[in-house]
Amino acid sequence: QVQMVQSGAEVKKPGASVKVSCKTSGYTFTGHHIHWVRQAPGQGLEWMGWINPNSGGTNTAQKFRGRVIMTRDPSISTAYMELTSLTSDDTAVYYCARDICSGGSCNELDYWGQGTLVTVSS
Amino acid sequence: EIVLTQAPGTLSLSPGERATLSCRASQTITSNYLAWYQQKPGQAPRLLIYSVSRRATGIPDRFSGSGSGTDFTLTINRLEPEDFAVYYCQQYSDSPVTFGGGTRVEIK
Repeated sequence: QVQMVQSGAEVKKPGASVKVSCKTSGYTFTGHHIHWVRQAPGQGLEWMGWINPNSGGTNTAQKFRGRVIMTRDPSISTAYMELTSLTSDDTAVYYCARDICSGGSCNELDYWGQGTLVTVSS
Repeated sequence: EIVLTQAPGTLSLSPGERATLSCRASQTITSNYLAWYQQKPGQAPRLLIYSVSRRATGIPDRFSGSGSGTDFTLTINRLEPEDFAVYYCQQYSDSPVTFGGGTRVEIK
């Protein structure tokens, strides 16, 4: 069965960076784009972007361009999202999610990781 | 960016009743690029409906989606205890992908 397992909670200081991992199993890693979505405490969902695990190509929401780095390691079926120059506004649960479509981006997210809480505090 | 407005913010209903959730877009959604997700406390969202009306794998048929243009609806017939949760609509007609603010369905 498809599984997406994320790395554990992080506490960071303002100005630092955080890197969240998303290890997948149960399907062909290179066949489906992986998206990153975040959710601030008590708030709604915010899409950050996706990575094509096959080519490494990315599509990042304008809001996060220059601060988000999405990468992947196909040899271990894992995607990564690094967010730099953290502020308190970046405190949120970060989710990875699989695109439902094979070979392209449909932006419909059928499997999700369990979420990684990133807390930014001095 | 397309803004999605969900209404009501909270819906108080009893098990067995029907829930009707609204999602209104600030611009026309093309190609039926609208989905619905359910989220329970402490859990990741779960895909319910995509392409306006297509149920995701394993989603019971009491969940249905409809709409076009700028107005979309998620209907839950005969609410079950496990349906009480927060529901989000999502558009992928235009970049960036955006989500609505959510509707909480709570037990009355």
